[in-house]
Amino acid sequence: DAMVIQNPRYQVTQFGKPVTLSCSQTLNHNVMYWYQQKSSQAPKLLFHYYDKDFNNEADTPDNFQSRRPNTSFCFLDIRSPGLGDAAMYLCATSRDNGNTEAFFGQGTRLTVV
Amino acid sequence: GESVGLHLPTLSVQEGDNSIINCAYSNSASDYFIWYKQESGKGPQFIIDIRSNMDKRQGQRVTVLLNKTVKHLSLQIAATQPGDSAVYFCAENSNNQGGKLIFGQGTELSVKP
Repeated sequence: DAMVIQNPRYQVTQFGKPVTLSCSQTLNHNVMYWYQQKSSQAPKLLFHYYDKDFNNEADTPDNFQSRRPNTSFCFLDIRSPGLGDAAMYLCATSRDNGNTEAFFGQGTRLTVV
Repeated sequence: GESVGLHLPTLSVQEGDNSIINCAYSNSASDYFIWYKQESGKGPQFIIDIRSNMDKRQGQRVTVLLNKTVKHLSLQIAATQPGDSAVYFCAENSNNQGGKLIFGQGTELSVKP
């Protein structure tokens, strides 16, 4: 059974049109991460939540926002997608910070037209 | 500062041979390391982890070696199979960075039958 679920798997959005990607987990983990992964590159951390505490990476553009209304759900909002935002977006969870494995969803492939 | 490799080296091996995939990390304070396997169009999948108080850990057909002196991590795959073909990423985590999971360089492994 899938433990970290991302919806949709594929998302096409128009240039400049806000888009939301969603992630849910059945693991009851404290930490949820959002990564951006472009072709042939490593996943790049955008931000993460430890419970309700939001931790933004210094180089994450303001165009990217996140919400975590409860333990199970986390959303990635892209306010004005540009062509450069086309990528795979990965959600992951871990039980705690530090020395614990992170579980990944299957990702959402975002295309900007 | 942290460094994440953006290039994707490739490794091609014959089926049945052993594979060795290397990774350099930059944060000397990192105390937990994970190897992930990522198949095309999918999220990263956990393979094996190691904590900084160890220098070797074995799983089924896989071994991870950690050399803290030179900040180097390696993944050894025994009797490589076609199903092992994928991109392999190392990732590091440290409590003193709020438990962020940061990915290192990936290596594309291609197994020839």
